[in-house]
Amino acid sequence: DIVVTQSPLSLPVTPGESASISCRSSQSLLHSNGNNYLDWYVQKPGQPPQLLIYLGSTRASGVPDRFSGSGSGTDFTLKISRVEAADVGVYYCMQALQTPAFGQGTRLEIK
Amino acid sequence: QLQLQESGPGLVKPSETLSLNCAVSGGSIDSSSYWGWVRQSAGKGLEWIGSIHYSGSTYYSPSLESRLVVSLDLSKNQFSLKLNSVTAADTAVYYCVRDMRFFDRGFDKWGQGTLVTVSS
Repeated sequence: DIVVTQSPLSLPVTPGESASISCRSSQSLLHSNGNNYLDWYVQKPGQPPQLLIYLGSTRASGVPDRFSGSGSGTDFTLKISRVEAADVGVYYCMQALQTPAFGQGTRLEIK
Repeated sequence: QLQLQESGPGLVKPSETLSLNCAVSGGSIDSSSYWGWVRQSAGKGLEWIGSIHYSGSTYYSPSLESRLVVSLDLSKNQFSLKLNSVTAADTAVYYCVRDMRFFDRGFDKWGQGTLVTVSS
């Protein structure tokens, strides 16, 4: 089974500054078709998770360009630029190459 | 706009069967999409349970497939989850999702979720 591990688990951020979350996979998520099967989700308080980014770096519909995904193989990063209070929530990565598996989540909070 | 809504008992006794429905509105379930279930518990976090294509093809988590059935009701535009022989470890918030992984687009729509507690 492919396991994904996130860090940090808690991330306090000052509004207006940037935040980065790391996701590491126990196996490469790079498919022979050139795609990396890594998605990012955010779960805001009291809401279900929502898709932010798929295929490692493609923003889902309606997601602001302050959110960007990067990485390949086993190392991926979600970057949030100019953090706002509305960005508070728990961010999850999920590998979609095999049986889907989510990371433990990273709780972003405002300082 | 596509919406999903879970329904079902909030309390299930140990060893019994957990049954949930997901009503889809704002779109037809017999499109090219897959439809699935994800649960969230304090102990295991987010966990994919299984998915079904409108054709009836199913894909289950290996850890749950011996206890799991996911089915469709095209006439009601809904799909369902049955998990048998439940234990306290099955206590979780259960979400129904539109599963677009086969189109490389993840779980792009989620229901609000329903809490199911397994307890006598």
